[in-house]
Amino acid sequence: QQQVKQSPQSLIVQKGGISIINCAYENTAFDYFPWYQQFPGKGPALLIAIRPDVSEKKEGRFTISFNKSAKQFSLHIMDSQPGDSATYFCAAGGNTPLVFGKGTRLSVIA
Amino acid sequence: GAGVSQSPSNKVTEKGKDVELRCDPISGHTALYWYRQSLGQGLEFLIYFQGNSAPDKSGLPSDRFSAERTGGSVSTLTIQRTQQEDSAVYLCASSVQSGVGGETQYFGPGTRLLVL
Repeated sequence: QQQVKQSPQSLIVQKGGISIINCAYENTAFDYFPWYQQFPGKGPALLIAIRPDVSEKKEGRFTISFNKSAKQFSLHIMDSQPGDSATYFCAAGGNTPLVFGKGTRLSVIA
Repeated sequence: GAGVSQSPSNKVTEKGKDVELRCDPISGHTALYWYRQSLGQGLEFLIYFQGNSAPDKSGLPSDRFSAERTGGSVSTLTIQRTQQEDSAVYLCASSVQSGVGGETQYFGPGTRLLVL
């Protein structure tokens, strides 16, 4: 069964700290790994995505690290800000519809 | 430009009633997806439309759920004989073309369905 396991369920980080969210997948056919950010009452929005030909992708304060052999990928948010407080979903896909993790609720406190 | 829109934003219905949820994708997007988001859960794939191809219905949880897409644009998700476990946020997304899972999906704000 295609699954994406995401951890932790919730995360509290001090302002300026690093937020780290991890995901693991099972299907080796997946070749697209996006992270979505969702604010309350809104639909998810793409934050950053990676394909398995690279091990890391950075966009501003957001970095995806990808470990193909371990079938794991993670999101790092550097210098976390209160405005980053949201729910983050990892996902995996390719020739099949995206499979989403259950989400991580991030709270960044001042 | 306009994003994905969904209506209604909220729907309260009684158990056993039928409901219709509407999605207007971004103009020019050929792929359209429906997801269900239950409290504390991730996004559960329901159905996927790509152009004039037969839809991928593999995620529909029961035959009470159906969806159609008219003219390659607007889509309607219908839930017949609603049950309390159908209560969730129903999200629609569209993308430029069929990369299936491999391209940016743009989500609407969702329809919050409550079945009493």
